[in-house]
Amino acid sequence: GAGVSQSPRYKVAKRGQDVALRCDPISGHVSLFWYQQALGQGPEFLTYFQNEAQLDKSGLPSDRFFAERPEGSVSTLKIQRTQQEDSAVYLCASSLAGGVGGYGYTFGSGTRLTVV
Amino acid sequence: KQEVTQIPAALSVPEGENLVLNCSFTDSAIYNLQWFRQDPGKGLTSLLLIQSSQREQTSGRLNASLDKSSGRSTLYIAASQPGDSATYLCAVFGGKLIFGQGTELSVKP
Repeated sequence: GAGVSQSPRYKVAKRGQDVALRCDPISGHVSLFWYQQALGQGPEFLTYFQNEAQLDKSGLPSDRFFAERPEGSVSTLKIQRTQQEDSAVYLCASSLAGGVGGYGYTFGSGTRLTVV
Repeated sequence: KQEVTQIPAALSVPEGENLVLNCSFTDSAIYNLQWFRQDPGKGLTSLLLIQSSQREQTSGRLNASLDKSSGRSTLYIAASQPGDSATYLCAVFGGKLIFGQGTELSVKP
């Protein structure tokens, strides 16, 4: 597609519920990133894929967070047993070459997760 | 650990004014720096990307400069318009993209 697509756009989850957030990157983009943006803050790095390989997951806040990109295109961020502090906008971005070489990131519109 | 700081946190100006947004970073070992715009409830739109070897980039009324040695970048907006109202984020890439907290800009008609 023309841009990075994320679904759902909004998600309300009851505390303790599992959720799955989807990201469709730009076709041909090798690198895919997940960010978490709390209200009034800048995005915080969660994890990074190059093709299907998860090269960096240092930003995942706990073992309740899990991300995958099994075929090197679509990615899913899964949050198990959601807590209220997980409420945030989850942004996905893709890049031709991981951000190096002058290739920037293209972001999706995000998924706003509210845990009640 | 790379830290990115943006000043001011919020700015309100009358229409037509020229303005400067500031970004500083602690580790000069970066590949590039990118300025983004974020509208309420929306994702990030890339405005300008400056490679580490470059000093500035221009797009329309926007001009971004980079001084890697001092860890600073500025975004200059000429002849501001109400449609420029948004949050502006700078981010540096040195292996992963690290963001500042953003500057919330309001341009009053």
